[in-house]
Amino acid sequence: AQSVTQLDSHVSVSEGTPVLLRCNYSSSYSPSLFWYVQHPNKGLQLLLKYTSAATLVKGINGFEAEFKKSETSFHLTKPSAHMSDAAEYFCVVSDSARGGYSTLTFGKGTMLLVSP
Amino acid sequence: EPEVTQTPSHQVTQMGQEVILRCVPISNHLYFYWYRQILGQKVEFLVSFYNNEISEKSEIFDDQFSVERPDGSNFTLKIRSTKLEDSAMYFCASSVAGQAANTQYFGPGTRLTVL
Repeated sequence: AQSVTQLDSHVSVSEGTPVLLRCNYSSSYSPSLFWYVQHPNKGLQLLLKYTSAATLVKGINGFEAEFKKSETSFHLTKPSAHMSDAAEYFCVVSDSARGGYSTLTFGKGTMLLVSP
Repeated sequence: EPEVTQTPSHQVTQMGQEVILRCVPISNHLYFYWYRQILGQKVEFLVSFYNNEISEKSEIFDDQFSVERPDGSNFTLKIRSTKLEDSAMYFCASSVAGQAANTQYFGPGTRLTVL
């Protein structure tokens, strides 16, 4: 079975300061890991994904995440927050256990608040 | 850039009524999915669909739910007799292939309110 824990329900930062959104996962198999972002009244947009290649993954809008197998973590970071980054962020795991068919397991989400 | 679209954006219905939520996946994608998010809770997998049949479904996806690809572009989720607890945001997604590493692209969601 796979599961995802997002350690913070809300994170508040000031514009221009670093962002850290934490995620720990559990998977019985080699997982693929994703971060999705949801802006208000919008769909879920893929930020980045890890699929067993490089452990440091770069995504859109300056975000990146590092896969650490020993810590079962996949934290999302950005060096400098922008007002437009305010949104809800979901850490998602998918494993390849089921003969090629994948289903996504979502974390509860972290709401990122950015103040001027 | 191609997108997954969903209609309607908001549906209000009375308990016991049937609803059909519609999705148009990205045109060259072969795998289709429905997820839901009850307010304040996690996004949950409902069902995946490939080659005109269900490939996997969760415990939530009981006999009250069904999916269909009625033509070459639409993918629908039907709830036969809605309950209050079916109130949620329903997301459709699609992917090129079904393996874990393949990205699922999501639509904007349909907010279903059951009164």
